[in-house]
Amino acid sequence: DAGVTQSPTHLIKTRGQQVTLRCSPISGHKSVSWYQQVLGQGPQFIFQYYEKEERGRGNFPDRFSARQFPNYSSELNVNALLLGDSALYLCASSPGTSGRGADTQYFGPGTRLTVL
Amino acid sequence: AQRVTQPEKLLSVFKGAPVELKCNYSYSGSPELFWYVQYSRQRLQLLLRHISRESIKGFTADLNKGETSFHLKKPFAQEEDSAMYYCALSSPWGKLIFGQGTELSVKP
Repeated sequence: DAGVTQSPTHLIKTRGQQVTLRCSPISGHKSVSWYQQVLGQGPQFIFQYYEKEERGRGNFPDRFSARQFPNYSSELNVNALLLGDSALYLCASSPGTSGRGADTQYFGPGTRLTVL
Repeated sequence: AQRVTQPEKLLSVFKGAPVELKCNYSYSGSPELFWYVQYSRQRLQLLLRHISRESIKGFTADLNKGETSFHLKKPFAQEEDSAMYYCALSSPWGKLIFGQGTELSVKP
């Protein structure tokens, strides 16, 4: 198993544009979470999805949205990009069995987004 | 408010010296705490979690509810321990709240 995969690896956009980031979880994992990591800081929680339903949302504006597909892969969309959206976006998957909260989360390599 | 604080951005020690990376948290309820590590050019990965009470790569961490701390310790640091370490707190449904991270540098 390749682990959690994310695409693309790097992305450069300009202010006002829209971006879609993709994540494939570990096979058998039903929960996917998204985190934003700004340089020099720890990851900040954006969303969690479990069985295609949003389970939680962090303190991010409505410009950020996500969804999970029947195969448990996920997309994170960010509209009207701002300079401050430049960050590493991490995806993490976990088994999500029985809705138990603190499953170990396995992280992908991240997508580096630069907004000019 | 739920928060994780790692007071040291950088910790530099010599090989063979003891290491303690500090982590304090604020959480109402019974916390689930983790240490994640990121080695150079690798992805973020779990090092240990408090409920397992394991020692991984010689590291241990004890949850002290009275002091709301979950410090990471290793008696003898190795050069390969050099990495970024993040303390994290989990909500009941799995949202992770991370500290700012501590960069550990182990010098030969």
